[in-house]
Amino acid sequence: GAVVSQHPSRVICKSGTSVKIECRSLDFQATTMFWYRQFPKQSLMLMATSNEGSKATYEQGVEKDKFLINHASLTLSTLTVTSAHPEDSSFYICSAPVPPYNEQFFGPGTRLTVL
Amino acid sequence: AQKITQTQPGMFVQEKEAVTLDCTYDTSDPSYGLFWYKQPSSGEMIFLIYQGSYDQQNATEGRYSLNFQKARKSANLVISASQLGDSAMYFCAMREGGNFNKFYFGSGTKLNVKP
Repeated sequence: GAVVSQHPSRVICKSGTSVKIECRSLDFQATTMFWYRQFPKQSLMLMATSNEGSKATYEQGVEKDKFLINHASLTLSTLTVTSAHPEDSSFYICSAPVPPYNEQFFGPGTRLTVL
Repeated sequence: AQKITQTQPGMFVQEKEAVTLDCTYDTSDPSYGLFWYKQPSSGEMIFLIYQGSYDQQNATEGRYSLNFQKARKSANLVISASQLGDSAMYFCAMREGGNFNKFYFGSGTKLNVKP
């Protein structure tokens, strides 16, 4: 079945540094990928839609200069958290729609902790 | 208005019994898809079942079935013969219109299966 991978699974960084998270579709091509963040015991909040070959579409309230998204190829999207601060600590999870139902297959997630 | 509403923050069920997790949705788009996902404590999102707005029959996948009542705009998940491994968060989601459109997630229901 379709698999979406994420790397790294866990990252701890100092405040002010930038962190890059990769999302890969392993056995299918994904022209669209989605990035979410999830706070403890809360639902997933869509941050942005990543489109191969064009700019990402950000949800209202999400800072595009803070969360840089690059859909480098049909199998790779990256999320870079720039100048991370403790309030950016969260669980970041990506997904890609897969035919025929186009249900979203999710990556395993990345737990970011900013000290 | 909320696109997806899950009114049960937590549920308990005895092992081997059936349980229904509620989900109501709000859309004016005639074409939409409804999805259920399971999120165990590990954080990964696991796709369970899909129901299309034009589907005449309720979707079933093994022990999971979706009680789709279009007029009531409800898409309840029924888990039969609960197992201890079913203990997790369950999220209902909806996609409006196009197959690559974003998903709207509910707030989730925490299911605890008691031995």
